[in-house]
Amino acid sequence: SQQGEEDPQALSIQEGENATMNCSYKTSINNLQWYRQNSGRGLVHLILIRSNEREKHSGRLRVTLDTSKKSSSLLITASRAADTASYFCAPITSGTYKYIFGTGTRLKVLA
Amino acid sequence: EAQVTQNPRYLITVTGKKLTVTCSQNMNHEYMSWYRQDPGLGLRQIYYSMNVEVTDKGDVPEGYKVSRKEKRNFPLILESPSPNQTSLYFCASSVKGGQGYEQYFGPGTRLTVT
Repeated sequence: SQQGEEDPQALSIQEGENATMNCSYKTSINNLQWYRQNSGRGLVHLILIRSNEREKHSGRLRVTLDTSKKSSSLLITASRAADTASYFCAPITSGTYKYIFGTGTRLKVLA
Repeated sequence: EAQVTQNPRYLITVTGKKLTVTCSQNMNHEYMSWYRQDPGLGLRQIYYSMNVEVTDKGDVPEGYKVSRKEKRNFPLILESPSPNQTSLYFCASSVKGGQGYEQYFGPGTRLTVT
């Protein structure tokens, strides 16, 4: 697989606001996954979007995928303090056994 | 409860003293993997295993060994640890490899080598 590059590196918002983070990648993908990591803990899978999908929802999460621009975005609506975490994307190339994670976006939600 | 467990969670050791970090999953997953996480470098894959007795190198395999004798276990072995292996280590598993299934991560092992 290939490394996704998350942007911004850090984001600070007030509780109740929406948080948007982006992921760019370089080559064609089979799917793209988003993960969350609370400080020092293991990553937790949030959502997977396939290359033939453009948008996917899960609760307060909305993920979009634009394969022509090789980019994805993760929107968290009505953020809560508990959403404070690092968020990582993982673009998955078909047939690969390697997963590559970038440095993530550090989101801080202020109460 | 479906989970990936790692032991120990915290370990302080000295240079050159062999150690093993265990990883076990109870989901009958074929694919298992080890990562290390360092500030500013993200998660980097050390080794992965597609199934029993099938392993391959990730991006940073130097100084590490693995084995997969049983489906549920995937231990990480540091034969002669050095201070540059001080890091936070994660084990992960998924149903299969090669098709982009979601990964389930363990809680992490914080290793300090002095």
